Amino acid sequence: AQSVTQLDSQVPVFEEAPVELRCNYSSSVSVYLFWYVQYPNQGLQLLLKYLSGSTLVKGINGFEAEFNKSQTSFHLRKPSVHISDTAEYFCAVYQAGTALIFGKGTTLSVSS
Amino acid sequence: GAGVSQTPSNKVTEKGKYVELRCDPISGHTALYWYRQSLGQGPEFLIYFQGTGAADDSGLPNDRFFAVRPEGSVSTLKIQRTERGDSAVYLCASSLTGDEQFFGPGTRLTVL
Repeated sequence: AQSVTQLDSQVPVFEEAPVELRCNYSSSVSVYLFWYVQYPNQGLQLLLKYLSGSTLVKGINGFEAEFNKSQTSFHLRKPSVHISDTAEYFCAVYQAGTALIFGKGTTLSVSS
Repeated sequence: GAGVSQTPSNKVTEKGKYVELRCDPISGHTALYWYRQSLGQGPEFLIYFQGTGAADDSGLPNDRFFAVRPEGSVSTLKIQRTERGDSAVYLCASSLTGDEQFFGPGTRLTVL
């Protein structure tokens, strides 16, 4: 069965610092990979997705992620964070014909 | 255009009662998913519809949970004899292709 591991449950950073949120997945078949963001008391919003092609994927709000098949990772990065990036971030995998499998989430806290 | 909507946004009920949660997907989306998100966890899959039929209901925790989508659009998640452990945010998502899913704001269910 598919599984997703988000290696950090909480990541505190200062404003304008770079950040990396780590995600590893388990799969021996082709999957699609996603990062979603959830702001307090709101629904999930798609940040970016990897379906195929270039392994470096750019998303909204200046985020990007790199797909690494050999390491089964899909880490999310941003070179300079803002206070408004404070939220819960979820990594997810999808295999055709199934549903999304989510990690437990990483809380990004940005302070000034 | 209109996104996925869910009603009610909040539902408080007493243990043992019956509840219905409604999801209105994006018009034209044939796939519809229900997920449950407990506090501090990522969303967990419950059931997936393709058109009117349940393509995969393997995530439903027990037979107290049931969902329908009679006309291939609106879906209702039904929970009988609610228990305190059912308290969670119930998320609905719709999709045209299955891989990119658009989420509603969720229904927060509290069972007292």
